[in-house]
Amino acid sequence: QVQLVESGGGVVQPGRSLRLSCEASGFTFRSYGMHWVRQAPGKGLEWVAVTAHDGSNKHYADSVRGRFTISRDNSKNILYLQMNSLTTEDTAVYYCAKVFEAYGAGGWYFDLWGRGTLVTVSS
Amino acid sequence: DIVMTQSPDSLSVSLGERATINCKSSQSILYSSYNKNYLAWYQQKPGQSPKLLIYWASTRESGVPDRFSGSGSGTDFTLTISSLQAEDVAVYYCQQYYSTPRITFGPGTKVDIK
Repeated sequence: QVQLVESGGGVVQPGRSLRLSCEASGFTFRSYGMHWVRQAPGKGLEWVAVTAHDGSNKHYADSVRGRFTISRDNSKNILYLQMNSLTTEDTAVYYCAKVFEAYGAGGWYFDLWGRGTLVTVSS
Repeated sequence: DIVMTQSPDSLSVSLGERATINCKSSQSILYSSYNKNYLAWYQQKPGQSPKLLIYWASTRESGVPDRFSGSGSGTDFTLTISSLQAEDVAVYYCQQYYSTPRITFGPGTKVDIK
């Protein structure tokens, strides 16, 4: 079925790194821009990063730029988020999300979300 | 960045009654050339991921009950649940996608049963 499944979360010390994965199924992954959105415990939604359908364009929130790297492997239908130099402010559930329309047409609103993976940064 | 605000922070509504949630953007998110407002609404139930309800401010996503409707233009928007059901208990978020890549969400409005 159509779904996104995140993995890779866990407890990590400040300053360390973690790589999240998001496995897509049930749709033509290579046709869609993909995003990461996070939600700190008890808080609202914060957009983190985006990669174009072919990986050619990537953008980041100011809060993670220079520390996080988004990438994708269209041959494996997997989206990644490499997170370096983690701080306690990065503690959150990380969701991957698919844009509604293919090939960058339309707007950046999300019609498919994963269940999320929890990242806890703590000493 | 475009700042999104929502009101109220929370509301309690009786079953079958109307719930109205407001969302305001710090600048217009109407793209005049396309006459489209770059606004989406999501529902997040406890322990679940967000679900798309409305996009382009008023277009209902497939499968979303017609008791959910979106309206507004420019900087002021509204999500209306015409007859609240028990399964509508959730936090509702608005999101602007006008200023890509700097998309932003509102802080959320919690809806529960009175």
